[in-house]
Amino acid sequence: KAGVTQTPRYLIKTRGQQVTLSCSPISGHRSVSWYQQTPGQGLQFLFEYFSETQRNKGNFPGRFSGRQFSNSRSEMNVSTLELGDSALYLCASSLGSSEPQHFGDGTRLSIL
Amino acid sequence: SQQGEEDPQALSIQEGENATMNCSYKTSINNLQWYRQNSGRGLVHLILIRSNEREKHSGRLRVTLDTSKKSSSLLITASRAADTASYFCATDSTLTFGKGTMLLVSP
Repeated sequence: KAGVTQTPRYLIKTRGQQVTLSCSPISGHRSVSWYQQTPGQGLQFLFEYFSETQRNKGNFPGRFSGRQFSNSRSEMNVSTLELGDSALYLCASSLGSSEPQHFGDGTRLSIL
Repeated sequence: SQQGEEDPQALSIQEGENATMNCSYKTSINNLQWYRQNSGRGLVHLILIRSNEREKHSGRLRVTLDTSKKSSSLLITASRAADTASYFCATDSTLTFGKGTMLLVSP
């Protein structure tokens, strides 16, 4: 079956703009989590959605938001982009809590 | 947060040698998972070990868990150049990761 699909793969934005990233989970997976990965901070948890509800949230400012649709697809939005938001954004889906996560290949976001 | 911390940060070995990576965590867990990440790609799940298990095998991978010491180790036997990647551990549901161990296997 198809894996986790993230679009776009690469994105270049400028400071102050906003961006929306998309994630299509594995069919049947209702949990979708988002992560930010940077060389300095490593892999940091952003938030998790389950059945359209945000279940957990990491320590990120309110500029970072997300949502999940009834078909489990998820979007992540970052407003008022800053240079420090340049990162690889990873999405992962799973059947539920404590289950292995399946990751997409990420969206590489560069802020100029 | 139940963050896993991997050790060492980097490991360089020759093909055929064994590689051992360690993970420490801070609070009680239900399970611990190991992942691999190739450069520029997403993470790939390798193995999950539950808190009531002490050791688990999968192919050339062997994972141990010591809940009394809050630590786990991942052993890759007879390493190959294709094992070159970063390896992460994570605990429980809301997975938080350490910065990983970067493994380089030279031919």
